[in-house]
Amino acid sequence: KAGVTQTPRYLIKTRGQQVTLSCSPISGHRSVSWYQQTPGQGLQFLFEYFSETQRNKGNFPGRFSGRQFSNSRSEMNVSTLELGDSALYLCASSLGPKTEGEQYFGPGTRLTVT
Amino acid sequence: QKEVEQDPGPLSVPEGAIVSLNCTYSNSAFQYFMWYRQYSRKGPELLMYTYSSGNKEDGRFTAQVDKSSKYISLFIRDSQPSDSATYLCAMSLIYGNKLVFGAGTILRVKS
Repeated sequence: KAGVTQTPRYLIKTRGQQVTLSCSPISGHRSVSWYQQTPGQGLQFLFEYFSETQRNKGNFPGRFSGRQFSNSRSEMNVSTLELGDSALYLCASSLGPKTEGEQYFGPGTRLTVT
Repeated sequence: QKEVEQDPGPLSVPEGAIVSLNCTYSNSAFQYFMWYRQYSRKGPELLMYTYSSGNKEDGRFTAQVDKSSKYISLFIRDSQPSDSATYLCAMSLIYGNKLVFGAGTILRVKS
């Protein structure tokens, strides 16, 4: 069974640009969550989608947005990039409500903002 | 004060040692408790998952949850160099999907 896949794996962007990251969940998983991992703040929850609807949102500015498609694939977008957005962005999938405790993570997309 | 506290280490032990990793938390509403292992440049890998209080064993790994003390532990028996990684505790509210992570403990097992 294939795991969670994320593309691209590495990305370098310039301050002020925008970026879109993609996540394909494990087959059969319908819930997708996004996390930001930095050395200073650790792993922080961004948002979670289920059935194309955002169910939960973390404490991040509106520059961070996401969406989920009917096949459960998800994208997240960061607009007007800042240097502090440099991080490993992780996607995690799970079956859905009532089984949400078990999340499986992808390898992440490492974003560098210069 | 962070919602989940975890000593970042690093923790260095000889091969074969018993390793104890711990987290404390402040939100008594947390019901799901997890331990993830993360190797360098990889995503976190789920090791153990516990609902509410109690113990759970899986091979060399044992997870313990003490909700009265708001304290969770992961024990690794007969540690191996391949166990060298960052260990992250995580927890969530019942029926919630938002995981709250500890800072992660760097473990080094020396051969």
